[in-house]
Amino acid sequence: GENVEQHPSTLSVQEGDSAVIKCTYSDSASNYFPWYKQELGKRPQLIIDIRSNVGEKKDQRIAVTLNKTAKHFSLHITETQPEDSAVYFCAASNRGQNFVFGPGTRLSVLP
Amino acid sequence: ETGVTQTPRHLVMGMTNKKSLKCEQHLGHNAMYWYKQSAKKPLELMFVYSLEERVENNSVPSRFSPECPNSSHLFLHLHTLQPEDSALYLCASSRDPVVGSEQYFGPGTRLTVT
Repeated sequence: GENVEQHPSTLSVQEGDSAVIKCTYSDSASNYFPWYKQELGKRPQLIIDIRSNVGEKKDQRIAVTLNKTAKHFSLHITETQPEDSAVYFCAASNRGQNFVFGPGTRLSVLP
Repeated sequence: ETGVTQTPRHLVMGMTNKKSLKCEQHLGHNAMYWYKQSAKKPLELMFVYSLEERVENNSVPSRFSPECPNSSHLFLHLHTLQPEDSALYLCASSRDPVVGSEQYFGPGTRLTVT
């Protein structure tokens, strides 16, 4: 089955700096890769996603890159703000049904 | 947010009890999911229903029994649970169960098994 690894487990950055979180997956059949943000005590919410036919996607300060050959994808947050502090989860999915999540990265943006 | 609701929000039950968790989505989605979130493990997908049919069952113990009577409602029936089953149980729904699309999560039920 699919296995998703995520690094780092914790990340602290200064406000205004960039943050990068990396994930790897094992199943070459996975074709959908979402990223979720979960603030303390709240439900996970999608921030960006990418499909296997695209190499990069950007939405304002957030971007995701996908390398299908190496089976890894990364989340990039630029100009970080304190409200970006949360736990971020990557996931890989095959056929939009069997979602496997990474263990999460706790991001702290220091003012 | 009221797109996906879950009840109860908190539940304490003994190991011999039987209880049910309820999830309802008001988004017109075609797929619904149950996840377990505990401190020591990432989000674990338990069950997936697509168009009211179960399509995934990820080796979940039989003491967890899902039910999806229609595309808007999802239940998780619990019986003879163990203390290690204590966790946050999250329900989610998505529009397209085939190609992959955004999952909308409910607020979760915090379950404690004593």
